[in-house]
Formats: sequence, structure tokens, C-alpha cells
Amino acid sequence: GENVEQHPSTLSVQEGDSAVIKCTYSDSASNYFPWYKQELGKRPQLIIDIRSNVGEKKDQRIAVTLNKTAKHFSLHITETQPEDSAVYFCAASEGNTPLVFGKGTRLSVIA
Amino acid sequence: DAGVIQSPRHEVTEMGQEVTLRCKPISGHNSLFWYRQTMMRGLELLIYFNNNVPIDDSGMPEDRFSAKMPNASFSTLKIQPSEPRDSAVYFCASSLTPWSGGNTIYFGEGSWLTVV
Repeated sequence: GENVEQHPSTLSVQEGDSAVIKCTYSDSASNYFPWYKQELGKRPQLIIDIRSNVGEKKDQRIAVTLNKTAKHFSLHITETQPEDSAVYFCAASEGNTPLVFGKGTRLSVIA
Repeated sequence: DAGVIQSPRHEVTEMGQEVTLRCKPISGHNSLFWYRQTMMRGLELLIYFNNNVPIDDSGMPEDRFSAKMPNASFSTLKIQPSEPRDSAVYFCASSLTPWSGGNTIYFGEGSWLTVV
């Protein structure tokens, strides 16, 4: 089955700097890659996703990139703000099985 | 829509007691998932249902865990007997299928279980 590895497990950045979180997956058939944000004590919520027919997708300060050949995808947050502090999860699915999540990255944005 | 609704939000129970967690998925969603979240293991899929039918329960840790979905609007996750290592946040989630269409999984608020 699918296996998703996520790095780093913790990340601290200064406010205004960029943050990058990387994930690799094992199943070459995977074609859907969402990212979830989980604030302290809250539920995971989808913030952006990408499908295998797209290499990059942006939504304001966040962007995701996908390299199907290398089987990795990344989340980029620019101009980080304190409210970006949370745990971020990547996930992958080939469509007929549920999402498999990475173990999460705890992002701290230092004001 | 009220979203995925879980109860109880918090539960503290003694070792050996039965615990029942409840979930109401988003109306119209045909897939339901139970996840467990711990610091050590992250988000683990325990079991999921399609159209009320359990499809994969390979993530259920032991026979002490069982899940049911008697109808499209209700599911339970039961732990009997409970043990301290079961302490975790249990999330219920729902979505439409197929996932290849990128149908988003929506999570409930979670049930925070502490077994003492």
C-alpha cells in the first residue's frame, strides 16, 4: 500500500520568511495530494490540494508543487505569519483507497 | 451544513470500561472514516465504510476495537475493554467517492479520550 514520508517533523521560521515542507510517496499510481492544516486542539482542515495532471498550484501565500517522476510534493508558505503556526499534514491517494497521511510537520512562526 | 458531528468531545474513563464514540457524517457523503491521532503515530486510519459497508478494517489495532455503521447517518467506534494506551484523539471523517476526483475528506472535531 501507499506510504507517505513527511519532513521535517518540526520547523521554526521568522515571521515574514518562507516555509517549505516536503513529502514523498511510494505508490506511483497516486494521483491526488491534499494538504491539511491542524491548529492546536482543532480538526485537520484542507488548505490546498493538487492532482497528478498539474505540476504546481498557488493560492495566495501557499503553493504546492508535484514531481511525479521523483514521487515527491511540497508545500510552500511565503511571508509567514503567526497564524500560520500549526501542524501541517500531507496525504496521497490513488483514488480507490482512502488518503494516507504523513506524520505531520509542526510549524512555528516566530514574531 | 453542520459538518461531521462527533460525540462525546471529551471522555475520561477508567481502564477496563467500555467506550463508545459516535459520529454523524455530512449528509450525502457515502464514505466514512475513523482515524486515531497520537503524538507518536500521527493520524492512523482505523477503518472506513463505503455506503455503510466496512471496506477495510486492517487499521483496527485489536479485537477490543469494533466499528459499526447501521445507516448512512450514524457510526460508532467501540473500545471494550479500554486500556491507557488507547488514550488519543479519535477523528471521524466523511467524503464523497471516488477519491480520484479529489473529493475532500472532512473531519469532525474529534473525541479526546483519556483512559486512566
